Amino acid sequence: DTAVSQTPKYLVTQMGNDKSIKCEQNLGHDTMYWYKQDSKKFLKIMFSYNNKELIINETVPNRFSPKSPDKAHLNLHINSLELGDSAVYFCASSQALSVYFGEGSWLTVV
Amino acid sequence: GENVEQHPSTLSVQEGDSAVIKCTYSDSASNYFPWYKQELGKGPQLIIDIRSNVGEKKDQRIAVTLNKTAKHFSLHITETQPEDSAVYFCALLGTGGFKTIFGAGTRLFVKA
Repeated sequence: DTAVSQTPKYLVTQMGNDKSIKCEQNLGHDTMYWYKQDSKKFLKIMFSYNNKELIINETVPNRFSPKSPDKAHLNLHINSLELGDSAVYFCASSQALSVYFGEGSWLTVV
Repeated sequence: GENVEQHPSTLSVQEGDSAVIKCTYSDSASNYFPWYKQELGKGPQLIIDIRSNVGEKKDQRIAVTLNKTAKHFSLHITETQPEDSAVYFCALLGTGGFKTIFGAGTRLFVKA
């Protein structure tokens, strides 16, 4: 039983395209996140949602638009992809203190 | 702002030896400090955490210590095994409780 699942796991796309990554958690958590991990393994928060409401937007370009249709889902849509967007994107959720991560979505922009 | 620094960036030990990873933080209001392990191709996984009212916590071969006065906390792994090889992240919960801030990570190599 996967607690935080995200799709697709791998995504290779051309510059300028628009793509989406989907995330679902079955833990009953109220809070969900998107994190970006670059090639040097730095993990940086992008967005935080609590009960479908945006709480944190860490100065992410507005080409990135998260959407939370319900508290179990947090999707990430990226417009006009750039080479620098290549990274691993992690969805995560939490209820109290502990954060649970998905397996990551490897995005490569060519 | 809230920040956490982690050292070393790479650590190589012989199987059976101990490994220690250290982190320092700037915001004295921080009160929750988790540690995550990330294996190749996987997401980070919580392995141990400590709250500010405790100085030390142990779980089998791993332990975490916290010095609130000096604003640093450390992860100790004893009797290391090859399967301990991974990237380890220290973290803290930012004020407001909706943001976990991560250190830069330590790549631990355990040589058999």
